[in-house]
Amino acid sequence: DAKTTQPTSMDCAEGRAANLPCNHSTISGNEYVYWYRQIHSQGPQYIIHGLKNNETNEMASLIITEDRKSSTLILPHATLRDTAVYYCIVRASGGSYIPTFGRGTSLIVHP
Amino acid sequence: EAQVTQNPRYLITVTGKKLTVTCSQNMNHEYMSWYRQDPGLGLRQIYYSMNVEVTDKGDVPEGYKVSRKEKRNFPLILESPSPNQTSLYFCASSLSLAGEGTQYFGPGTRLLVL
Repeated sequence: DAKTTQPTSMDCAEGRAANLPCNHSTISGNEYVYWYRQIHSQGPQYIIHGLKNNETNEMASLIITEDRKSSTLILPHATLRDTAVYYCIVRASGGSYIPTFGRGTSLIVHP
Repeated sequence: EAQVTQNPRYLITVTGKKLTVTCSQNMNHEYMSWYRQDPGLGLRQIYYSMNVEVTDKGDVPEGYKVSRKEKRNFPLILESPSPNQTSLYFCASSLSLAGEGTQYFGPGTRLLVL
């Protein structure tokens, strides 16, 4: 599975959009981009995933560049409860799977 | 409610005393895995299982054992715990590796080995 690079930390004002970038320049054609978040020491929570097209759900939007080498997770109206560590991972469909979560981005949403 | 459960949630033990952390999922998922999380090191996979009786090593398997006798359960066994296994442990499951594989994580087990 391709490795990802994320900024160590970011901050955002409550009510504003939070845009979290992720680089995955070695991504393969069959690898999906997944985003998870971990609030304090709770179990990581799935947010969204995509392959080529941009995706949106009730939690966030995922923008994947045309060359698929990077993506951005967008929380459109960040709240204090969105303060968490956000992980971007890529994984292929099928086969054995040892995902690399890395250190993620620590997002702090301030009032 | 679809969920992954772990027990115990907190455990303090002494070096060398065998322990088992249980993990159970009610979603009929094929794939299950165990992670440990340590400060500055992120989440690292210990073992994973692609189905009943099929298990394999992850990134950090030393000192751990697993078994998958039933689809819903995937216990983590520490035969002789040592202080360097003090950590926060998470179990996770996903439907299948044959397609998109969103993982669902348990609430975590915090282990302290004295």
